[in-house]
Amino acid sequence: EIVLTQSPGTLSLSPGERATLSCRTSQSISSSYLAWYQQKPGQAPRLLIYGASSRATGVPDRFSGSGSGTDFSLTISRLEPEDFAVYYCQQYTTSRVTFGPGTKVDIK
Amino acid sequence: VQLVESGGGVGQPGGSLRLSCAASGFRFSSYGMHWVRQAPGKGLEWVAFILFDGSKEHYGDSVKGRFTVSRDNSKNTLFLQMNSLRPEDTSVYYCVVASAGRGAFDAWGRGTVVTVSS
Repeated sequence: EIVLTQSPGTLSLSPGERATLSCRTSQSISSSYLAWYQQKPGQAPRLLIYGASSRATGVPDRFSGSGSGTDFSLTISRLEPEDFAVYYCQQYTTSRVTFGPGTKVDIK
Repeated sequence: VQLVESGGGVGQPGGSLRLSCAASGFRFSSYGMHWVRQAPGKGLEWVAFILFDGSKEHYGDSVKGRFTVSRDNSKNTLFLQMNSLRPEDTSVYYCVVASAGRGAFDAWGRGTVVTVSS
């Protein structure tokens, strides 16, 4: 099983600041199979990024993804009030997908 | 794309529940389907996958041998039969599909709540 770790666990920032979230996989994966999701309280997760760097439909361009091998990142260039949420990375190299534990981005 | 889960509720330890997911807005019979769950205050856990034609299934280690995923392509419906329930199965259960064909989970249901308690 491919294990994902995310850091930091919590990121406390102010609106307008830049957020950088990290995701590390226990073994090297193709960047084609790394995704990021946003989840707000009481809601289902929403796909933000697939293939490590491609934005899903309707996702604002302040969200960007990068990385390769075992190290991936999600960057929010300027935090908007609606961006404070929990973010999960996911690998989907096979149908046995795994998720990271999440990074909570909260208001400082 | 719309996915609507149902069948959640309170189940007793050792008991059973059956979840359903009604799919619409895409060609259900052409896509593999997943169940993902989330315990209260916890992260996302992949539960099960079934191939588009039902010919293959995969399960997470925590549910293997207790849960069974199935589908009825004539009714555009996905199922999760949950047996030998444990308190740690208490979660919101989501029905999920990679409807854009890229593998990432671009469509999620709203979820159905399962509580296992005596």
